[in-house]
Amino acid sequence: SQTIHQWPATLVQPVGSPLSLECTVEGTSNPNLYWYRQAAGRGLQLLFYSVGIGQISSEVPQNLSASRPQDRQFILSSKKLLLSDSGFYLCAWRTSGTHNEQFFGPGTRLTVL
Amino acid sequence: GQQLNQSPQSMFIQEGEDVSMNCTSSSIFNTWLWYKQDPGEGPVLLIALYKAGELTSNGRLTAQFGITRKDSFLNISASIPSDVGIYFCAGTYRPSDYKLSFGAGTTVTVRA
Repeated sequence: SQTIHQWPATLVQPVGSPLSLECTVEGTSNPNLYWYRQAAGRGLQLLFYSVGIGQISSEVPQNLSASRPQDRQFILSSKKLLLSDSGFYLCAWRTSGTHNEQFFGPGTRLTVL
Repeated sequence: GQQLNQSPQSMFIQEGEDVSMNCTSSSIFNTWLWYKQDPGEGPVLLIALYKAGELTSNGRLTAQFGITRKDSFLNISASIPSDVGIYFCAGTYRPSDYKLSFGAGTTVTVRA
């Protein structure tokens, strides 16, 4: 069966510091991968998605970037965090080419101080 | 993707009650999905619908794909305290679509 991992689970970072959040998927190959952000009490905002290694599509211009160095690894980064980057970051995967169901990871709670 | 209209925005449940929420789109969808998110966790897929008129159950949850293909409904029967959380609808037009359109969520809380 497939599983999706995210780490760290929680992170507190000062403004201006770098960021690296990691997401890995097990039990599937060539998945579509997604990064979402969720502000407190709000809906899901798609940040990036990837259909293959090295292929990144950005949905919202911002202070963040994404990379996919391996088939089942998706990384969210920032060189300098802003206060507005605080939120709950969710990674999701989908089997490419079939149904549209996306499956979410446990999330990373990021607080920028 | 486009934003879906999900209602109500929030609701209070009393144990044993049946509750319902719905989601509408301005355009036709061919896939409707319902997720539940517990506090501090990622959303979990509850039900997936792929055919207009389809009615699918998952335990006490029942979801329907509207005949017009522009809406979907989720019903929870005989509510229990662990039903609290945020319920999201999502949908797409084409099976090949990479992105889902999401509703803003319905927050379900236990009535004191």
